[in-house]
Amino acid sequence: GAGVSQSPSNKVTEKGKDVELRCDPISGHTALYWYRQRLGQGLEFLIYFQGNSAPDKSGLPSDRFSAERTGESVSTLTIQRTQQEDSAVYLCASSPGLNTQYFGPGTRLTVL
Amino acid sequence: QKEVEQDPGPLSVPEGAIVSLNCTYSNSAFQYFMWYRQYSRKGPELLMYTYSSGNKEDGRFTAQVDKSSKYISLFIRDSQPSDSATYLCAMSINQAGTALIFGKGTTLSVSS
Repeated sequence: GAGVSQSPSNKVTEKGKDVELRCDPISGHTALYWYRQRLGQGLEFLIYFQGNSAPDKSGLPSDRFSAERTGESVSTLTIQRTQQEDSAVYLCASSPGLNTQYFGPGTRLTVL
Repeated sequence: QKEVEQDPGPLSVPEGAIVSLNCTYSNSAFQYFMWYRQYSRKGPELLMYTYSSGNKEDGRFTAQVDKSSKYISLFIRDSQPSDSATYLCAMSINQAGTALIFGKGTTLSVSS
């Protein structure tokens, strides 16, 4: 069956521009996570959605980062006024519950 | 002290070798332990999932948890070139709705 998909796969942008990253979770998965992976670093939690509950935004590094999810469908991560330190791979994962998270291939963001 | 420590490697072994990958952690509340495998330019995929202490075996892979020492291991028997990837340990306090805490990953290269 279809896994988690993310788009775009690569994004190059100029410093100061806004970017929007998209995640399509596995159908029926109630939970959705966004992580950031910098080169040579582990995965850094950004935000977590569970059904219609208020999202856990505790990992967002600044107010330039925001994310939305409608119900149990697509999620978008928006980074405003991008900075060079935002360059990383942004990974989305969905889960039917428990700790079994299924990851997408990621969006590689490069801020020039 | 970081919550989860993992030697980044790289670790290079010949085909057929037994590989030992390890993580240490500081938070004694962690109860659920996972190993993810990440191929280059791909998202992580869940390899092993264990609860509390003990061993779990799946084919050539064995996950071991020693909560008293706050130490987890992944053993790969009869390693293959296709095992060449980055291995990330991850752990969480509870089973549902919590973001995982990841190690930085160990890069493994198996030569034929």
